[in-house]
Amino acid sequence: QQPVQSPQAVILREGEDAVINCSSSKALYSVHWYRQKHGEAPVFLMILLKGGEQKGHEKISASFNEKKQQSSLYLTASQLSYSGTYFCGTLDHGSGNTGKLIFGQGTTLQVKP
Amino acid sequence: KAGVTQTPRYLIKTRGQQVTLSCSPISGHRSVSWYQQTPGQGLQFLFEYFSETQRNKGNFPGRFSGRQFSNSRSEMNVSTLELGDSALYLCASSPDRGLSRIETQYFGPGTRLLVL
Repeated sequence: QQPVQSPQAVILREGEDAVINCSSSKALYSVHWYRQKHGEAPVFLMILLKGGEQKGHEKISASFNEKKQQSSLYLTASQLSYSGTYFCGTLDHGSGNTGKLIFGQGTTLQVKP
Repeated sequence: KAGVTQTPRYLIKTRGQQVTLSCSPISGHRSVSWYQQTPGQGLQFLFEYFSETQRNKGNFPGRFSGRQFSNSRSEMNVSTLELGDSALYLCASSPDRGLSRIETQYFGPGTRLLVL
């Protein structure tokens, strides 16, 4: 089951904050966040693990609510370089390890000067 | 360390042909996963290889296949191409140190396939 991201798109001015949400109908064991710029590969931002461990990017934070099966990515004081499409990926636990990530449909973020 | 590399970067084929795409993972990474990205369907998992064996498989027809070599390099093959196979094909590698830890996948730049 594909996770659902919201919003689908957001436009910000530099310095503004944004929140991107990722919800799943299945139990979550980890949530993986990526950013993809046009014509480029997805770049890893952050992993949130069940139990609270968080690893990733220094200027972007995230939360993981296991009970609600949700994760949120927080972009504070956005910069032009934050523009791109953000994907959350959830691990299909039955697959073991990291092999099979199921991605949401993406959230397009545009930061304007 | 060099990142994940994919060749070729761009490819144009006609319907009915077959195509082979190549992926070289980050040195020391043992798991290679393949994804198809299209505007309509987003990022969809194709399959994953680990130690030369397919460990996971997505919901794609049998025309899509892959393999992994002893040096962890991987290839994917699509036979009897259809117009709908036009997409960006991404591979991603992860260390998979076999410790049941959840680790990051690192993506290559992708191969953009156009089927005419």
